[in-house]
Amino acid sequence: SQTIHQWPATLVQPVGSPLSLECTVEGTSNPNLYWYRQAAGRGLQLLFYSVGIGQISSEVPQNLSASRPQDRQFILSSKKLLLSDSGFYLCAYLPRGAGKETQYFGPGTRLLVL
Amino acid sequence: AQSVTQPDIHITVSEGASLELRCNYSYGATPYLFWYVQSPGQGLQLLLKYFSGDTLVQGIKGFEAEFKRSQSSFNLRKPSVHWSDAAEYFCAVDTNDYKLSFGAGTTVTVRA
Repeated sequence: SQTIHQWPATLVQPVGSPLSLECTVEGTSNPNLYWYRQAAGRGLQLLFYSVGIGQISSEVPQNLSASRPQDRQFILSSKKLLLSDSGFYLCAYLPRGAGKETQYFGPGTRLLVL
Repeated sequence: AQSVTQPDIHITVSEGASLELRCNYSYGATPYLFWYVQSPGQGLQLLLKYFSGDTLVQGIKGFEAEFKRSQSSFNLRKPSVHWSDAAEYFCAVDTNDYKLSFGAGTTVTVRA
């Protein structure tokens, strides 16, 4: 079966510190991968998506970057965190090869920048 | 660009009462439509989806949604809510590019 993992679950970081959030998917090959951010009281905003290893598309200009070093691994990073980077970060995957399928979401990482 | 509107930020409903959450989209053609639910501090769980065919779709947990092309709507309904239905609900559309646009969400509170 397919599963998606994110870690850490919760993170408190000072302003200016680096960030690395990891997402891994099991049970599927070559999925599309996505990073979303959910700010307090707001909907979900698509930050990045990837259709393959090393292929990253950015949806909004920001302080963050993403990488996909392996087929089922998606990393969200920052060199220097800002207060505005606080939020709930969700990773999602879309399985390939089955027509118009559905995005499945991980449990999320709650990031608080102080 | 497509957009998704959920007009109701917060809805309070009594346990056992019916629930309807509104969703309107703006797009030239018929998009693929989804409803997700998010319990506090959790990720998103798919409730149901509409791609084509029967405009009334059934989902998990007793939810259903009806696609109305003339109104560009995809409203979510449940005949009788349970306390465990208290959560935030998101409508989303995929306009055939494998990316989702989400509404701002509707928070549902269930009172005893």
